[in-house]
Amino acid sequence: GDSVTQMEGPVTLSEEAFLTINCTYTATGYPSLFWYVQYPGEGLQLLLKATKADDKGSNKGFEATYRKETTSFHLEKGSVQVSDSAVYFCAFPPSNTGKLIFGQGTTLQVKP
Amino acid sequence: DVKVTQSSRYLVKRTGEKVFLECVQDMDHENMFWYRQDPGLGLRLIYFSYDVKMKEKGDIPEGYSVSREKKERFSLILESASTNQTSMYLCASTQGARGDTQYFGPGTRLTVL
Repeated sequence: GDSVTQMEGPVTLSEEAFLTINCTYTATGYPSLFWYVQYPGEGLQLLLKATKADDKGSNKGFEATYRKETTSFHLEKGSVQVSDSAVYFCAFPPSNTGKLIFGQGTTLQVKP
Repeated sequence: DVKVTQSSRYLVKRTGEKVFLECVQDMDHENMFWYRQDPGLGLRLIYFSYDVKMKEKGDIPEGYSVSREKKERFSLILESASTNQTSMYLCASTQGARGDTQYFGPGTRLTVL
């Protein structure tokens, strides 16, 4: 069935380090792929998305490329900041109702 | 900006109580969703609604019901709260089809004692 697998956290990095959070998915067809972010005490908000194979989504220095061959959508950032500390969720819509399937979330802690 | 609001940020209830969680969106979105968020499990869909008075079960509907009498408002009801329903509850809305961005409320942290 449809599913999303993210790397387990927490991920702890020093400021300015390189970040990768892995995400792989199992889906029927080629759905849009999303990364959402949840800052402490808040709801989720869209970080970036990609709508078709080989598309790259980007926002706030984060990037992710839709890789059809490896069914992956890994999140990367070249230089993280303390303010990037949050929980990151990979997700996709399995049907036409707009609902989403989420990964379990990866907590990122960035230390100064 | 799209705004999704939830009636309470924190709620404490006793086992057996009936609990109402309210969600309102201001962008005339067709679809609304209720998720619960638990550590290590991500977000799991409880119910969703694609139109007024229409609802569909999500992945974990047991112990919950919903109501959508107006387009902007989607309520989650715990008929008889139990301790295993202690969780963070998130409401979301989206305009339409697959691939549209979901907009989330800030969440309600419910504790059932």
